[in-house]
Amino acid sequence: SAVISQKPSRDICQRGTSLTIQCQVDSQVTMMFWYRQQPGQSLTLIATANQGSEATYESGFVIDKFPISRPNLTFSTLTVSNMSPEDSSIYLCSVEGAGGPEQFFGPGTRLTVL
Amino acid sequence: GQSLEQPSEVTAVEGAIVQINCTYQTSGFYGLSWYQQHDGGAPTFLSYNALDGLEETGRFSSFLSRSDSYGYLLLQELQMKDSASYFCAVRGYSSASKIIFGSGTRLSIRP
Repeated sequence: SAVISQKPSRDICQRGTSLTIQCQVDSQVTMMFWYRQQPGQSLTLIATANQGSEATYESGFVIDKFPISRPNLTFSTLTVSNMSPEDSSIYLCSVEGAGGPEQFFGPGTRLTVL
Repeated sequence: GQSLEQPSEVTAVEGAIVQINCTYQTSGFYGLSWYQQHDGGAPTFLSYNALDGLEETGRFSSFLSRSDSYGYLLLQELQMKDSASYFCAVRGYSSASKIIFGSGTRLSIRP
């Protein structure tokens, strides 16, 4: 199993500003994933973060809006840039367990943009 | 495109059995997973089917038919704590590790 922590757990931000979300895993993992979940909705994959290379973004998500860092095998950050109220959501990071297929999720960051 | 369909809501009685269906259409497929998510919590893994057939884990079972692009989650001896959202998820729609989630089924348990 993997234990994942995220910071901050929640934040309220003004439109036009940026927020960086941190994700820390208690073991080394190859890939980390960032998801967005609107309240009462499903999870949408934003991007996959590999250590030592640029993140791979899903359709509808771009690096300028959601820059990702992956400096080592236990840590990643997701920045939500130039925020608007439409970015209000829960952001979750996840990792795949050793040998798959189970994915473990962090507790999420609840973002509200005013 | 990628799509997974599941009922939006299901209601059942405590102690009963409930089945949540999932049909999928994806460009790649390694397996079908099921996740449980309580309100305010993170998704937690329940089961995984890579091959056709039934996988049983305690009160929960999951079934897959690859030829029908169909699977289901079966919950037995329902307890109030089973009230949650349940997501089917296809693993490998573009790589072995990526998963795409269904829209989710909200399960409500009545006493």
